[in-house]
Amino acid sequence: QVQMVQSGSELKRPGASVKISCKASGYTFSTFGINWLRQAPGQGLEWMGWIDTKNGKPLYVQGFTGRFVFSLDIPVTTAYLEISSLKSEDSGLYYCARSGNFDYWGQGTLVTVSS
Amino acid sequence: EIVLTQSPATLSLSPGERVTLSCRASQSVSSSLTWYQQKPGQTPRLLIYDASTRATGIPARFTGSGSGTDFTLSINGLEPEDFAVYYCHQNRILHSFGGGTKVEIK
Repeated sequence: QVQMVQSGSELKRPGASVKISCKASGYTFSTFGINWLRQAPGQGLEWMGWIDTKNGKPLYVQGFTGRFVFSLDIPVTTAYLEISSLKSEDSGLYYCARSGNFDYWGQGTLVTVSS
Repeated sequence: EIVLTQSPATLSLSPGERVTLSCRASQSVSSSLTWYQQKPGQTPRLLIYDASTRATGIPARFTGSGSGTDFTLSINGLEPEDFAVYYCHQNRILHSFGGGTKVEIK
């Protein structure tokens, strides 16, 4: 069955970096892109962008450019989200979701940025 | 950017009632509209895609309708497990989400 399994919670200081993983299984990895979404505490869902698993090309939405990097390790069917120069407002739950209708989601990775 | 506006923000209802949630798009998204349910501490769950097609395993009491800019999600006879936040989402042009409607127990 299809599964998207994300890495565990992270507690980081402002200015640090974090790299979140999303391991996909149960389907042909290159068939669907991987999307990244953020949910700030008590807030709704924000689409950050996606990465094409056929060619590794990322697309970042306004507001998620510069400090945010999507990448892939295709042999291990894993997508990554790296955030650098962390700020307190980056705190939240980060999800990966399979492209299309976002029919499969990772369980979410909580990132807390605090001094 | 396509903006999705959901209304109302909160609904207070009793089990068994029928509920209709609204999602309006700032420009036409054709039928590229999906609905998700999210319960506290859980991942969003796909309910409806292509505006009116129920996802696998979704009960028949959930019905999606609409096209263009105006969409509705109806729940015919609220069950206790239906109290949650509902989000609409468009994938016609990139992706965007509505702000959500919370369906709470009255």
